Amino acid sequence: DQQVKQNSPSLSVQEGRISILNCDYTNSMFDYFLWYKKYPAEGPTFLISISSIKDKNEDGRFTVFLNKSAKHLSLHIVPSQPGDSAVYFCAAFGNEKLTFGTGTRLTIIP
Amino acid sequence: EPEVTQTPSHQVTQMGQEVILRCVPISNHLYFYWYRQILGQKVEFLVSFYNNEISEKSEIFDDQFSVERPDGSNFTLKIRSTKLEDSAMYFCASSEVWSSYEQYFGPGTRLTVT
Repeated sequence: DQQVKQNSPSLSVQEGRISILNCDYTNSMFDYFLWYKKYPAEGPTFLISISSIKDKNEDGRFTVFLNKSAKHLSLHIVPSQPGDSAVYFCAAFGNEKLTFGTGTRLTIIP
Repeated sequence: EPEVTQTPSHQVTQMGQEVILRCVPISNHLYFYWYRQILGQKVEFLVSFYNNEISEKSEIFDDQFSVERPDGSNFTLKIRSTKLEDSAMYFCASSEVWSSYEQYFGPGTRLTVT
């Protein structure tokens, strides 16, 4: 039952360039999609969200895009900074709970 | 900035023993959750709790698990008879409003069952 999938377990990006993290989902009933960031020994931290009725949401260096027909969302970080190195989880909200993907480890190379 | 806290950070227990994982949610939050992450796997929902009742639970949350809000600040997850496969990181989360995607997570308790 893989309702939310992140197919790239890791990604390395040069500092200053754009980081693009991808996520696919199978359930059309999700209400919101979110990205969480996680550092070692810490819990997931909410980063940005998008309603299922929108196709783009921007917050500073972070932009989330939602393509409902493809059941795909992506997170763009630009410019990437060393502090962005972390594990990023895609999550979907519906039926009063969050469903997470497996995460993508982003490494920003100075 | 208010935050969710969890104790202990690491718990080692023998198979068959009972464990209680503790959480202090953000003080004005009324909705509480437990999630777990087995090493190398995704974060999975266990249970949601409001007004001293379980609101939603997953298939993982069987009779071996229970939750409680014993006082005005703590929220606990009890595993009655631990199994090896219960070894995981357990995250507590809380939210201010119901059915909110804005859930704030604690740092987690790493449970190791030997």
